[in-house]
Amino acid sequence: QVQLVQSGSELKKPGASVKVSCKASGYSFTSHALNWVRQAPGQGLEWMGWIHTNTGIPTYARGFTGRFVFSLDSSVNTVYLQISSLEAADTAIYFCARLTPYAENSWGQGTLVTVSS
Amino acid sequence: QAVVTQEPSLTVSPGGTVTLTCGSSTGAVTDSHYPSWCQQKPGQAPRTLIYYTSDKHSWTPARFSGSLVGGKAALTLSGAQPEDEAEYYCLLSYSGGWVFGGGTKLSVL
Repeated sequence: QVQLVQSGSELKKPGASVKVSCKASGYSFTSHALNWVRQAPGQGLEWMGWIHTNTGIPTYARGFTGRFVFSLDSSVNTVYLQISSLEAADTAIYFCARLTPYAENSWGQGTLVTVSS
Repeated sequence: QAVVTQEPSLTVSPGGTVTLTCGSSTGAVTDSHYPSWCQQKPGQAPRTLIYYTSDKHSWTPARFSGSLVGGKAALTLSGAQPEDEAEYYCLLSYSGGWVFGGGTKLSVL
């Protein structure tokens, strides 16, 4: 079955960078884009954007340009979210998700990124 | 950017029926928005219950159903169970990507 497994929690200082990974299995990696979703503490879900896994082309939602970079390594069926110049407001759980109208939707377990001095 | 609206909170009695709705600031919600519904319980990752308006996953309990009603997407829960208490998020597709609704906190009391 479709599985998305994310990397573990991160504790970073303001100004640092973080890279979160999401490894896909159980389906053809290049068949569906993978999305990133943010959930700040006590808040709702916010779509950050997606990366087309067949081309590597990312699309960023408003508010997630500049410091946020999506990338992938097809050789290991993994997508990445990198956030640079971290701020306290970046403290959140970050989910990767396969969101598609055409097949099974699946979510990673989430990665907690904490930014604190 | 479009805004997706949901009821902030709803309450249903055990065994009862409740409908959650999902509206769009751009007009009527249609199948072309590929409405989907996610359930999230405290401390857990979301899981998608309904996609493409009314399609269910293998894990979706039969008591959940999706539809379009009055220009909105709708999630109906028939025969609510205590374990259905959760936050429910609607997700709509637009030309630039996906937009989540603010979520509906469903209490089963």
